[in-house]
Amino acid sequence: DTEVTQTPKHLVMGMTNKKSLKCEQHMGHRAMYWYKQKAKKPPELMFVYSYEKLSINESVPSRFSPECPNSSLLNLHLHALQPEDSALYLCASSQAGAYGYTFGSGTRLTVV
Amino acid sequence: GENVEQHPSTLSVQEGDSAVIKCTYSDSASNYFPWYKQELGKGPQLIIDIRSNVGEKKDQRIAVTLNKTAKHFSLHITETQPEDSAVYFCAASGGYQKVTFGTGTKLQVIP
Repeated sequence: DTEVTQTPKHLVMGMTNKKSLKCEQHMGHRAMYWYKQKAKKPPELMFVYSYEKLSINESVPSRFSPECPNSSLLNLHLHALQPEDSALYLCASSQAGAYGYTFGSGTRLTVV
Repeated sequence: GENVEQHPSTLSVQEGDSAVIKCTYSDSASNYFPWYKQELGKGPQLIIDIRSNVGEKKDQRIAVTLNKTAKHFSLHITETQPEDSAVYFCAASGGYQKVTFGTGTKLQVIP
């Protein structure tokens, strides 16, 4: 299995809703990442988990809450989002060390 | 922190021609340089990478070159095909946890 699977593919949520994005990989990668990508822009790092511990939080607002329940799963919990949070949310994984990332196809999030 | 500049932002080539995308980086500590291809509606896909102890790497129609002294690296695609049309991102990294992406190049291959 050489894929990163993200669910759901599309999500529309109101500003008072609570929802979660899910990411799963079975490649044995011990680093997992959440990125946010706006249209026509490069991916922007949000969080990094290394060996299931949060190692980088790029000053992301607290309405985004990451969770890594085990070495294969990564969640992003969303609460009280703003319309400007609408974007493509990408999960990625990699081996520890300087290696390329395997990205999922992303969750297209629309906040209304 | 690291800063990666990428040019051009858009590139149109005729099918069969070559395409070249160039990137420069600022941090001399960066030692790993991946390239990603992102098709519409998909996540970025790693297509080739190069480490700082190597000057050039090839994989079929794709090649990457690195000039550490000048701090620039380039992606070369030969014999372009319509399926090469996508957005390409270069990136630089000094450690796996922080990768800095370039601003992207939209490549259009005209049949």
